[in-house]
Amino acid sequence: DGGITQSPKYLFRKEGQNVTLSCEQNLNHDAMYWYRQDPGQGLRLIYYSQIVNDFQKGDIAEGYSVSREKKESFPLTVTSAQKNPTAFYLCASSMTDYSNQPQHFGDGTRLSIL
Amino acid sequence: QKEVEQNSGPLSVPEGAIASLNCTYSDRVSQSFFWYRQYSGKSPELIMSIYSNGDKEDGRFTAQLNKASQYVSLLIRDSQPSDSATYLCAGPNSGNTGKLIFGQGTTLQVKP
Repeated sequence: DGGITQSPKYLFRKEGQNVTLSCEQNLNHDAMYWYRQDPGQGLRLIYYSQIVNDFQKGDIAEGYSVSREKKESFPLTVTSAQKNPTAFYLCASSMTDYSNQPQHFGDGTRLSIL
Repeated sequence: QKEVEQNSGPLSVPEGAIASLNCTYSDRVSQSFFWYRQYSGKSPELIMSIYSNGDKEDGRFTAQLNKASQYVSLLIRDSQPSDSATYLCAGPNSGNTGKLIFGQGTTLQVKP
């Protein structure tokens, strides 16, 4: 079955620690995205990538980093510089980077501070 | 800055009624819109895409796009308790980057 796999489902971060959230897709999609969702809030774009080895900052990139070394994979690192990391993190992909393509989401990762 | 706005609700309807969810957007050029359903604690699921003026029907769902009024709506006929969720409207953010801008979502409660 094609889809987007995010892991882990739950993650706890200690003060001063970097943590990496995994996102893998087998849909052969070119574009991938990371969003953050806070309780009762909409989705805010962290980073996106339209092609392998290229990515751009979204609206709230500070304190986060990404890489896109393979088409299938777009991991997100939450660094210690992100002072309020507790949120629901969603990875999405779309077939191309055209604006008429819907995005499809993984199941998400819930990150909390210990 | 483009915007997509939704009434956060909650919108409460009795089982079997028609639920009407609305979304307005700021960009007159936008061509395509998407409706997502998000159950509590889960990720958004795409339920409808609409690319042209008028109505698009899929089962109990009808999406309506009115470009002149910059208005998108989702009608759910014969609402069921299982339709209780938050519904997110999304439209293109900028150019041909694939980026979408999401509304805050409308929470729908269908009461048995």
